[in-house]
Amino acid sequence: GESVGLHLPTLSVQEGDNSIINCAYSNSASDYFIWYKQESGKGPQFIIDIRSNMDKRQGQRVTVLLNKTVKHLSLQIAATQPGDSAVYFCAENIGGGGSNYKLTFGKGTLLTVNP
Amino acid sequence: NAGVTQTPKFQVLKTGQSMTLQCAQDMNHEYMSWYRQDPGMGLRLIHYSVGAGITDQGEVPNGYNVSRSTTEDFPLRLLSAAPSQTSVYFCASRPTGSIGEKLFFGSGTQLSVL
Repeated sequence: GESVGLHLPTLSVQEGDNSIINCAYSNSASDYFIWYKQESGKGPQFIIDIRSNMDKRQGQRVTVLLNKTVKHLSLQIAATQPGDSAVYFCAENIGGGGSNYKLTFGKGTLLTVNP
Repeated sequence: NAGVTQTPKFQVLKTGQSMTLQCAQDMNHEYMSWYRQDPGMGLRLIHYSVGAGITDQGEVPNGYNVSRSTTEDFPLRLLSAAPSQTSVYFCASRPTGSIGEKLFFGSGTQLSVL
């Protein structure tokens, strides 16, 4: 079954607000997590990643938080802009052996930024 | 660098027809993969390859064949198209090595099977 899921399929925010997109995973062996952004008609683009030995990682306007206790991942976007409107996917990698090459993606959250 | 290039961008097939989706990358990546994206289903792995001459199945391999004769190219073949294969297909590549390597995606091929 789908081990990577999202709490909210859609999220609508005002320009300038902060956005938080959540993701749950069920496999405790997952050792690497990654967020992708997909704009309409385009392929997914890398945003940020985090390994399971970390709790937090920051990029430019984005922060990923990992809570291994409750198997929860979140993507925070600061000062959301209209250009951030897209579908956001989380993906997990289950560590070890051949599964190192099989990223499992969640179903995605549609973020809409209102001007 | 062009990155990951997929052709065609759009394709309409009749049930039972065969076709090949092309994927090429110019980043000398050893790992290449094919995903399909359906509404509400996210991205699902079809096949992947960790180098020339090596391929393996992903989550949804049935109905698809792949081969990897060169590092640059990883074509996906539909031998007898079915309406259930109507989807958007993405090719992706990355270097092998540590799991921290990011996947680079192509722009996708939208396939409709009537």
